Amino acid sequence: EVQLVESGGGLVQPGGSLRLSCAASGFTFSSYDMHWVRQATGKGLEWVSAIGTAGDTYYPGSVKGRFTISRENAKNSLYLQMNSLRAEDTAMYYCARDWSMGLWGQGTLVTVSS
Amino acid sequence: SYELTQPPSVSVSPGQTASITCSGDKLGDKYACWYQQKPGQSPVLVIYLDSKRPSGIPERFSGSNSGNTATLTISGTQGMDEADYYCQAWDSSTVVFGGGTKLTVL
Repeated sequence: EVQLVESGGGLVQPGGSLRLSCAASGFTFSSYDMHWVRQATGKGLEWVSAIGTAGDTYYPGSVKGRFTISRENAKNSLYLQMNSLRAEDTAMYYCARDWSMGLWGQGTLVTVSS
Repeated sequence: SYELTQPPSVSVSPGQTASITCSGDKLGDKYACWYQQKPGQSPVLVIYLDSKRPSGIPERFSGSNSGNTATLTISGTQGMDEADYYCQAWDSSTVVFGGGTKLTVL
């Protein structure tokens, strides 16, 4: 089955770190660009990062320098290392496949609170 | 930074046509995508490359993009189409989403 499964979310204190994972299955992971997108409760979608098939990375200003996207093709896995977390980073985090985001995972919830 | 603007809400009667707009500077020079999100669910791609439908998306969903506006059109709207809809485009190697439109079928 073609799917993406996120994990690694949880409760973290402001200033803390968290690493999210996204396990891909059912397709050739190495052939696709990948994204992380987040959504705060009751709010809209916000793009967080992207990584190309060659390992090139892209970020919006809101997370640049704090978040790092990476991939491990041998493990069919995508990662998001989040440092210096803030309350406003609290959201459901989704991974999505390719430039059109044609496949999404179910999300993993990150809560930043003391 | 680049912005995409959507109306917060659109209402439509069952069987009628719903149009949801997405406005951005010279958006017609970029490719637009549209996503449907129902409560408690992950987003689903319904239109890519301005007007193409992924496999499994009903033919009643169509898209267009010209000038400064991309439009998602749902013909013969059904109750199951009630959801939030988001437009998306790429600008200078970053992805931008519109604020979302809540479609109510009543």
